[in-house]
Amino acid sequence: AQRVTQPEKLLSVFKGAPVELKCNYSYSGSPELFWYVQYSRQRLQLLLRHISRESIKGFTADLNKGETSFHLKKPFAQEEDSAMYYCALSGIGSARQLTFGSGTQLTVLP
Amino acid sequence: GAGVSQSPSNKVTEKGKDVELRCDPISGHTALYWYRQSLGQGLEFLIYFQGNSAPDKSGLPSDRFSAERTGGSVSTLTIQRTQQEDSAVYLCASSTRTGSEQYFGPGTRLTVT
Repeated sequence: AQRVTQPEKLLSVFKGAPVELKCNYSYSGSPELFWYVQYSRQRLQLLLRHISRESIKGFTADLNKGETSFHLKKPFAQEEDSAMYYCALSGIGSARQLTFGSGTQLTVLP
Repeated sequence: GAGVSQSPSNKVTEKGKDVELRCDPISGHTALYWYRQSLGQGLEFLIYFQGNSAPDKSGLPSDRFSAERTGGSVSTLTIQRTQQEDSAVYLCASSTRTGSEQYFGPGTRLTVT
């Protein structure tokens, strides 16, 4: 079975401080992992995926297969980063559906 | 271009009634997914359509739930004899093909009273 765990329901940091949102997964095989973000009153949107190895809005995430983690990091948080963040794993079935973590609400304080 | 659209945006219904939720995917997207976002269960997969292939219904929670996709485009999720535990936000997503980025709609918030 595949599972995604986000241990922090809520996370608050001050503007300019580093931020790390934790994500751990369980999966038998080669995982494909994503971070999705939902800003207030907006729809869920893709932030980044591990295979693209991009930095989006200053965020990066590295897949660590040994620790089965895919933590999201940003060195200097901005107030506009306040949002709900979901870590997700692409399914093993033909549907390749996403299995989501429970989400972390990030608040960046001024 | 236009993104994924869903209607209605909000639906309040009485327990026991049937409801239909609609999803218009991005034009040209062959893969379509339904997810449910509820307080107790988080975001969970319901059903998947790819082109004219038989849908993957493995996420549907009960036989009261069904979905169809007509002409490979618009999809309708139907919940029969609604129960209070069906209250949730129902999200639709589409992608150009299976496994590529999924684009989400704004969701339909269903409240069963």
